[in-house]
Amino acid sequence: ETAVFQTPNYHVTQVGNEVSFNCKQTLGHDTMYWYKQDSKKLLKIMFSYNNKQLIVNETVPRRFSPQSSDKAHLNLRIKSVEPEDSAVYLCASSFGTGNYAEQFFGPGTRLTVL
Amino acid sequence: QQNVQQSPESLIVPEGARTSLNCTFSDSASQYFWWYRQHSGKAPKALMSIFSNGEKEEGRFTIHLNKASLHFSLHIRDSQPSDSALYLCAVSITGNTRKLIFGLGTTLQVQP
Repeated sequence: ETAVFQTPNYHVTQVGNEVSFNCKQTLGHDTMYWYKQDSKKLLKIMFSYNNKQLIVNETVPRRFSPQSSDKAHLNLRIKSVEPEDSAVYLCASSFGTGNYAEQFFGPGTRLTVL
Repeated sequence: QQNVQQSPESLIVPEGARTSLNCTFSDSASQYFWWYRQHSGKAPKALMSIFSNGEKEEGRFTIHLNKASLHFSLHIRDSQPSDSALYLCAVSITGNTRKLIFGLGTTLQVQP
């Protein structure tokens, strides 16, 4: 039963364009995450928000910018995409930031940069 | 910097077999250990977690943790074709900010 929703499912674009991805969770969680899963299936944290506050900001290029309007929504904008941005972008949510909190993932947005 | 390694990279087993997946980590202060399963084209989903040394069993799945040897594992009893998926181990790092560090995964194929 899906409770973390991502749009779009797929996006194909050209180098230099801007793209935006959306994520919404209906679990009542207060923490949301963006992960990047590359072609080797490595899942790597990019950003994390707790109650709309940015709490994790990994070393990612500055063209990536997250935005959270409320606890249930997290967006990701990429200005001027590069070929290495091709990947699946996964959104996740959890209740709290403790080590024990299970993260629930969305199905992902697959980005292809031509 | 936490380093999480998984083995084997891929595995093919017959239906009904016992399957063992391994994960090693580098930070001895790591606190919580997870296994996630990701079916092809789907969202990763948490299978099990553990935080203290020893074993924990849930149905056909058993997780084993040995912090001294920086190792934890997942064992699947009576493997089923529906278990075919990418298995990702993850370790949560210490500190107030929660981050999961994932391994590269083990692709499991269970043949009927």
